[in-house]
Amino acid sequence: NAGVTQTPKFRVLKTGQSMTLLCAQDMNHEYMYWYRQDPGMGLRLIHYSVGEGTTAKGEVPDGYNVSRLKKQNFLLGLESAAPSQTSVYFCASSYPLILNTEAFFGQGTRLTVV
Amino acid sequence: GIQVEQSPPDLILQEGANSTLRCNFSDSVNNLQWFHQNPWGQLINLFYIPSGTKQNGRLSATTVATERYSLLYISSSQTTDSGVYFCAVVQTGANNLFFGTGTRLTVIP
Repeated sequence: NAGVTQTPKFRVLKTGQSMTLLCAQDMNHEYMYWYRQDPGMGLRLIHYSVGEGTTAKGEVPDGYNVSRLKKQNFLLGLESAAPSQTSVYFCASSYPLILNTEAFFGQGTRLTVV
Repeated sequence: GIQVEQSPPDLILQEGANSTLRCNFSDSVNNLQWFHQNPWGQLINLFYIPSGTKQNGRLSATTVATERYSLLYISSSQTTDSGVYFCAVVQTGANNLFFGTGTRLTVIP
């Protein structure tokens, strides 16, 4: 049981380049999330999905797009990377959090935009 | 949105000492989790504890939802306990975890 897997683990981009981060979960969870973590801060929610084909904005959605074409996968896209998007990105999944359940996180993707 | 405050922001302990970490939140919640982020950046689930008390080895946690706080106790600390401890809550009616800024714990031998 792999849990939540993120690819890639590390990436360096030049300003203006695009990329997609992949999150895959094998726990049959309905909910999936993308967070970013900046130095000295907690995690902040970028976008989330409450089911296949649905997405919603979180606290810091600007500059990112997401897609949930399959229940087990949640993609985070950067169309034109900026240095302000240098961060560590975490994906998570859960059953509906209102139903006495917990979220599980991937190992993170360290992204540097130069 | 909901405010989640953790204290202290930094804590240095001698190995073997005990500690209490606190998480205050500004609104009603129906879900609360404690995480440990180890020095390699991995987020490890410690407790799912929307209310009551739980224990797991040297760690225990208590949440008093009516008073809007949760406590994480670490007893007989070890160097492997070092890292950042995060409290994360789900505001009633919301669909996502909202994180505090964490407590950075350093345990020295």
